[in-house]
Amino acid sequence: QQQVKQSPQSLIVQKGGISIINCAYENTAFDYFPWYQQFPGKGPALLIAIRPDVSEKKEGRFTISFNKSAKQFSLHIMDSQPGDSATYFCAATSGGGADGLTFGKGTHLIIQP
Amino acid sequence: GAGVSQTPSNKVTEKGKYVELRCDPISGHTALYWYRQSLGQGPEFLIYFQGTGAADDSGLPNDRFFAVRPEGSVSTLKIQRTERGDSAVYLCASSTGGLNEQFFGPGTRLTVL
Repeated sequence: QQQVKQSPQSLIVQKGGISIINCAYENTAFDYFPWYQQFPGKGPALLIAIRPDVSEKKEGRFTISFNKSAKQFSLHIMDSQPGDSATYFCAATSGGGADGLTFGKGTHLIIQP
Repeated sequence: GAGVSQTPSNKVTEKGKYVELRCDPISGHTALYWYRQSLGQGPEFLIYFQGTGAADDSGLPNDRFFAVRPEGSVSTLKIQRTERGDSAVYLCASSTGGLNEQFFGPGTRLTVL
């Protein structure tokens, strides 16, 4: 059972455009929703995270939108740059963030110059 | 400061052999996690330690997999009677526990021939 569904699988965006990646979850016990960025040959690195008591969180060019009733959350990358080209994973966990993470399958993002 | 380190970076073994993968967490991090990432997939949670004890081992796929953290710092993931399906990148992460970020190492790429 896939508990976190991520889409699209791959995404091509022009430099300066907005990249949008969507995730949906099933487990209502999840209470922490991070996004990770992974470059080839590297481990995932935390990009931004949100808890369900807020509907939006912004850090620089990165924004998470969260819809608790729909059990969906999304990552928006504003003014996308070629250096943003990477694989992005949404994740979720319970226990306030202390438990193991359940990851989506990932989105391979390419920013064209 | 030093991040999470994992050794070896690559391991090639034959079907049926025993392997050990090592993780050195960030100094002072009490929580340690193991994940497995297959090609083109998101990381899959295996086991989580808080201190020396396994707080959650529900992700271990079967009894061929075992992990220890005897002194609450370094951890070793042990795989007995390896199978070709065990081939993946094994990731380790550590955190200060609770609400805090999990920092990932670069992973060990295991290939079972």
